[in-house]
Amino acid sequence: SQKIEQNSEALNIQEGKTATLTCNYTNYSPAYLQWYRQDPGRGPVFLLLIRENEKEKRKERLKVTFDTTLKQSLFHITASQPADSATYLCALPNSGGYQKVTFGTGTKLQVIP
Amino acid sequence: NAGVTQTPKFQVLKTGQSMTLQCAQDMNHEYMSWYRQDPGMGLRLIHYSVGAGITDQGEVPNGYNVSRSTTEDFPLRLLSAAPSQTSVYFCASSARVGDYEQYFGPGTRLTVT
Repeated sequence: SQKIEQNSEALNIQEGKTATLTCNYTNYSPAYLQWYRQDPGRGPVFLLLIRENEKEKRKERLKVTFDTTLKQSLFHITASQPADSATYLCALPNSGGYQKVTFGTGTKLQVIP
Repeated sequence: NAGVTQTPKFQVLKTGQSMTLQCAQDMNHEYMSWYRQDPGMGLRLIHYSVGAGITDQGEVPNGYNVSRSTTEDFPLRLLSAAPSQTSVYFCASSARVGDYEQYFGPGTRLTVT
């Protein structure tokens, strides 16, 4: 099955700066990759999906890149705000079909005012 | 739309007891899944369903049963609870299998003593 690595260390950044989170995967290259946000005590919420033929995807202050050679996705939040503080998860389908999705353990982002 | 609903929000069981975690969605989604989330382990797939009458195992299915008699409902049964099943359980749904976003419920926090 797919193995995903996200930085387990919390990321602390100053308000207004750009936060960059990393998602590395092993094994086969997936057809797509998703990013979710999770607040304490709540279920994850979908943010962005990027497909293997897309290098970059943007949505408001969010940007995702997908490098299938490096087997890596980067998730950027520009002009970060304290309200962006949360845990961010990446997710990708397992090999052999899309029925099973594997999630990373997530990176906790803290935006300091 | 209520989205994905889960009941109960909290539950305490004694070892050996059985119970059913309820999950329902009102979006006419084909795909539904159950995850458990433990500290440091991320979300792990327990069982999933690609449509009414069709279920299959995920990454950690032992000790759990599911059924999908209707499109809307996907209950998760713990047959004989064990302390190792202490976790937060999330139900999720998506329109179809594939590169579709998953909508998560609010979760059930289960403690087995």
